[in-house]
Amino acid sequence: AQSVAQPEDQVNVAEGNPLTVKCTYSVSGNPYLFWYVQYPNRGLQFLLKYITGDNLVKGSYGFEAEFNKSQTSFHLKKPSALVSDSALYFCAVRDPVSGGYQKVTFGTGTKLQVIP
Amino acid sequence: DAGVIQSPRHEVTEMGQEVTLRCKPISGHDYLFWYRQTMMRGLELLIYFNNNVPIDDSGMPEDRFSAKMPNASFSTLKIQPSEPRDSAVYFCASSLRWYSGNTIYFGEGSWLTVV
Repeated sequence: AQSVAQPEDQVNVAEGNPLTVKCTYSVSGNPYLFWYVQYPNRGLQFLLKYITGDNLVKGSYGFEAEFNKSQTSFHLKKPSALVSDSALYFCAVRDPVSGGYQKVTFGTGTKLQVIP
Repeated sequence: DAGVIQSPRHEVTEMGQEVTLRCKPISGHDYLFWYRQTMMRGLELLIYFNNNVPIDDSGMPEDRFSAKMPNASFSTLKIQPSEPRDSAVYFCASSLRWYSGNTIYFGEGSWLTVV
């Protein structure tokens, strides 16, 4: 069975500093990995995804994520945080190897607070 | 594209009443998902459809919940009778050929309060 873990409920970072939101996963094959962001009172918005290829994936709003197969991780990063980045971030995984119709599994979310 | 459209955005209803949530997926998408988000349980997949056919409804909490997709551009999630523990945000989402790793796009949600 596939699973995804976001070990931190909340991450605080000062504006202008680099930020990292952690995600680890467990699948039987090579995963499809996603990051979504949810601003207050809004739906989830797609940020970026890893399907295959370059381990470093660039996405919206200056975010990027690095796929690390040996550590089964897909951490979200940004070189310089903005106050407007404050939101809830979800990591998601799907195992394409299992066959059939498969659900995507979302993490529990990490609240990012960027402090001015 | 207008994105996934949900209605109503907010609903407050009394316990025992019927609630119907509506969704219009992105045109051309062949997968439609209903999710529920609460503080206690996070984001839960309730049911999903492929080409208007329900594929997996194992996440539907109980018989009070039902979902339909009569055509490619419309789906409903119905709760009858509603209970206070059904209070949550309900998201509809759609995707094109999900099995190939395509992105799921979410609506803005329907915020349900049952009093």
